[in-house]
Amino acid sequence: KQEVTQIPAALSVPEGENLVLNCSFTDSAIYNLQWFRQDPGKGLTSLLLIQSSQREQTSGRLNASLDKSSGRSTLYIAASQPGDSATYLCASYGGSQGNLIFGKGTKLSVKP
Amino acid sequence: KAGVTQTPRYLIKTRGQQVTLSCSPISGHRSVSWYQQTPGQGLQFLFEYFSETQRNKGNFPGRFSGRQFSNSRSEMNVSTLELGDSALYLCASSLAQPPNEQFFGPGTRLTVL
Repeated sequence: KQEVTQIPAALSVPEGENLVLNCSFTDSAIYNLQWFRQDPGKGLTSLLLIQSSQREQTSGRLNASLDKSSGRSTLYIAASQPGDSATYLCASYGGSQGNLIFGKGTKLSVKP
Repeated sequence: KAGVTQTPRYLIKTRGQQVTLSCSPISGHRSVSWYQQTPGQGLQFLFEYFSETQRNKGNFPGRFSGRQFSNSRSEMNVSTLELGDSALYLCASSLAQPPNEQFFGPGTRLTVL
């Protein structure tokens, strides 16, 4: 059974800092991995989707990498801003289950 | 192009009642998935529909059911509500059957008293 873990659970950084969020998964037989952002009380906003054949994806200040062999993905946020404050969730699709399996998320706070 | 819409956005019910939540996917998307989000359990998969057929189901009791219509809109129903059903219910749509990229709606916040 796929398990997705995100460490740390919470992170506080000063504005302008570059940071890395971590996601690990137990079953490497995934089709893709998706990163989401969730603001309090809101739905999920898709940030990046990495297919199993890809190593990384970039969108603006965000870069996500995928290493299937080690069961890890990272989300790199460059030059963080207070508006980046939110909970970031990673989810894998595939393995033995035909649906997205989510981590518990990393709550990011960027201080001005 | 409009995003995924969910109605209602907020609901308050009492134990034993039933509730129906609605989800309209992005135009052209044929797959709809439902998830329950609670502080303790995080996001958990309920079920997924594609072309009016339930393709996948999570580990929830039979009180949770759903359906999809020919226009791809989906509804989920929870009967005999329990306090533990209080949660944010999220709907996601994708162009085809997953593992395509999934896009989420704003959710329906259900409170059971």
